[in-house]
Amino acid sequence: GAGVSQSPSNKVTEKGKDVELRCDPISGHTALYWYRQRLGQGLEFLIYFQGNSAPDKSGLPSDRFSAERTGESVSTLTIQRTQQEDSAVYLCASSYTRGGFGTDTQYFGPGTRLTVL
Amino acid sequence: GEDVEQSLFLSVREGDSSVINCTYTDSSSTYLYWYKQEPGAGLQLLTYIFSNMDMKQDQRLTVLLNKKDKHLSLRIADTQTGDSAIYFCAETTTGGGNKLTFGTGTQLKVEL
Repeated sequence: GAGVSQSPSNKVTEKGKDVELRCDPISGHTALYWYRQRLGQGLEFLIYFQGNSAPDKSGLPSDRFSAERTGESVSTLTIQRTQQEDSAVYLCASSYTRGGFGTDTQYFGPGTRLTVL
Repeated sequence: GEDVEQSLFLSVREGDSSVINCTYTDSSSTYLYWYKQEPGAGLQLLTYIFSNMDMKQDQRLTVLLNKKDKHLSLRIADTQTGDSAIYFCAETTTGGGNKLTFGTGTQLKVEL
């Protein structure tokens, strides 16, 4: 079965340009997450979508970052006016939220490596 | 606030056991996880433990949780060269929704 897919796999852009990163979650997964991994560091949470609820945007580092998700499908992470410190691997994950007791395992995509020159 | 720490590097010989350690500060952890990241690949969930358990075993993997000391460890028995990767511990917390807070990762190198 298909896992989480992300595109592009690599993106090189110039400082000041806008970029869009795409995530296709596993079909049927109600929750979708974006994380950022800077070189040599762990993952930082960015934003979380759960069904039709308002997204948890508490991890977005600045107002240059935004994300959208239509229903329970594709999500797009947009970074406006990119800066060199935005260079990182951007990882998307999805999970099926069962509710009640038990953990909702997050399945990760391969990531998009963003390089801002 | 949430803070998860790991040692950066571990080197072991093939066939030995590896123990990767993790400490966390948030006492409201609900689940704790171990993920594996190989070069050029996404994160793979290895195992997880509920915060009211103190041990979980899954084939070559043993997870130990000391909730009093906020210490989590992953033991890999009979370590193989294919186990070479970066290992991340992560937690979810009460009130934190399902977002994961990750440690900085431990690079495991398995030598022949």
